[in-house]
Amino acid sequence: EDQVTQSPEALRLQEGESSSLNCSYTVSGLRGLFWYRQDPGKGPEFLFTLYSAGEEKEKERLKATLTKKESFLHITAPKPEDSATYLCAVYGNEKLTFGTGTRLTIIP
Amino acid sequence: DSGVTQTPKHLITATGQRVTLRCSPRSGDLSVYWYQQSLDQGLQFLIQYYNGEERAKGNILERFSAQQFPDLHSELNLSSLELGDSALYFCASSPGGGTSGVVDTQYFGPGTRLTVL
Repeated sequence: EDQVTQSPEALRLQEGESSSLNCSYTVSGLRGLFWYRQDPGKGPEFLFTLYSAGEEKEKERLKATLTKKESFLHITAPKPEDSATYLCAVYGNEKLTFGTGTRLTIIP
Repeated sequence: DSGVTQTPKHLITATGQRVTLRCSPRSGDLSVYWYQQSLDQGLQFLIQYYNGEERAKGNILERFSAQQFPDLHSELNLSSLELGDSALYFCASSPGGGTSGVVDTQYFGPGTRLTVL
């Protein structure tokens, strides 16, 4: 059974304070790791796909990296509008398995 | 806006009733996925349809069923509803079926909030 664990569950940062979110996974045959952003009551919004260890993707203040056991979402100099829940998911056994997310709050 | 549409936005019903949720995928996408998101369990995969055929099944209850029509829209039917079925239900779509090669990105709709009283 594929498993995804995200940490921390919640994170409060001052505006401009950089940090990283962690996603550790166990999956038989990783075919892709996905990061999504979700605002309260809304659908997940796609951010990144990573396919193999060593791969990195960047978008504005976000950078995602992947190793054989975990992925990190680095957020640099965050702004209040980056406040959201960040979800990690792995595609292994013909389906996406999601973690429970990290709820990120950026304080002005 | 992902291009995936879901109706209705909100649904309030009573225990024992049956409801139908509707999803229209992004233009050109052949796969539709259904997910349930409750407060204590996060996003749970229910079922996938690819070009009208069931492709993969997750933790979908026997009281729930889905189908994908020739125009590629999909419906999720929930019957004999229980209080515990109250949740957000999301539909996602992707261009392919995920059977081989690179895995497609799934794009999510805005969801249907179901409340069972």
